[in-house]
Amino acid sequence: EDQVTQSPEALRLQEGESSSLNCSYTVSGLRGLFWYRQDPGKGPEFLFTLYSAGEEKEKERLKATLTKKESFLHITAPKPEDSATYLCAVQAVTSYDKVIFGPGTSLSVIP
Amino acid sequence: DTGVSQNPRHKITKRGQNVTFRCDPISEHNRLYWYRQTLGQGPEFLTYFQNEAQLEKSRLLSDRFSAERPKGSFSTLEIQRTEQGDSAMYLCASSSAEASTNEKLFFGSGTQLSVL
Repeated sequence: EDQVTQSPEALRLQEGESSSLNCSYTVSGLRGLFWYRQDPGKGPEFLFTLYSAGEEKEKERLKATLTKKESFLHITAPKPEDSATYLCAVQAVTSYDKVIFGPGTSLSVIP
Repeated sequence: DTGVSQNPRHKITKRGQNVTFRCDPISEHNRLYWYRQTLGQGPEFLTYFQNEAQLEKSRLLSDRFSAERPKGSFSTLEIQRTEQGDSAMYLCASSSAEASTNEKLFFGSGTQLSVL
């Protein structure tokens, strides 16, 4: 069965302290891996799509990378406004194109 | 285009009552998803439409849940005989993927259901 796990569950960083979030996935065939950001009381907001191992995408202080078994979201010199829950999701080739999400990592950036 | 719209934003109901939520996707988006999210968890897939066709429904979903998307436009999610365990945020998302290679989902703000 297709599965997505994320670690850590929660992460607390000082402003400017870089770190990485992990997403591990098990799918029979990967069509795409996605990162979303979710603020409290709102729906998730799309950040990146990665399709194949070795691919990287960047947006401001965020960089997403992909291997055959996991993805990392690197946060460089975070600011308090980066505080949110970051969700990883996968779309598997054999699951009628449905997108399934991991549990998320709650990030807090302290000034 | 104002994005994905969900109504109501909040719903409080008593156990055993039926509730219905509405989702208006971004116009011309052919795919529409329903997810359920509880505190501290990621969105859990419920069901998925392509145009008016319901392509998949989660095996974890009770028969008390039903969804429709008449004419491939807005969608409704109905929960019959609600239980306290149904309390959650119900999220709707839409996308315009044509070749199954660009599943960028646009989410609404959700409907928060509380079953007393």
